[in-house]
Amino acid sequence: EVQLVESGGGLVKPGGSLRLSCAASGFNFYSYNMNWVRQAPGKGLEWVSSISGSSSYIYYADSVKGRFTISRDNAKNSLYLQMNTLRADDTAVYYCVRGERSLFDYWGQGTLVTVSS
Amino acid sequence: NFMLTQPRSVSESPGKTVIISCTRSSGSIASTYVQWYQQRPGSAPTTVIYEDIQRPSGVPDRFSGSIDSSSNSASLTISGLKTEDEADYYCRSYDTNSQVVFGGGTKLTVL
Repeated sequence: EVQLVESGGGLVKPGGSLRLSCAASGFNFYSYNMNWVRQAPGKGLEWVSSISGSSSYIYYADSVKGRFTISRDNAKNSLYLQMNTLRADDTAVYYCVRGERSLFDYWGQGTLVTVSS
Repeated sequence: NFMLTQPRSVSESPGKTVIISCTRSSGSIASTYVQWYQQRPGSAPTTVIYEDIQRPSGVPDRFSGSIDSSSNSASLTISGLKTEDEADYYCRSYDTNSQVVFGGGTKLTVL
């Protein structure tokens, strides 16, 4: 059974940093592209970043480019999102998502990041 | 980059059919695949349609997808509506630079 479990969310002050993790199981992690998608409270879904299986290809939304860094450790079946210079509008539930451009097929349950003073 | 525009809300009665549209602002809707998600309150999204018209296993055949090049839009059709279909629905696509775009979401009320 495919499982994606996010961790690392919490309350952080504006300008601060946070590192999210996603532990994957139930599939060959290295074979799949992985993604982060976020959802601000009461709002819609927003794609954040994608990374290919070998980390050769990495993409970011304009809203996070230069502040967030996606990475993965295939030996540990883990996906990461390093978030720096956080702003209030980064407050959201962050989902770890498996999938290619044409199919995001499995989602974690999300971890809440709150940016507030 | 392009935008995907959805109606904010739709409502229909049980047993009826509802169509949710997703209009692409620039570039052809047919140039990249569209996916549809269902999100119930407090839960993560799940896929109901991928690659424009494909239905994942386990999704009822009451759910179908289509694209219309003349209106540059994709549509999700749900027939034989059930109260359990009440949820938010999102369309998603991507551009040739692998930038992923979500529609703003549509709240479906089954009353």
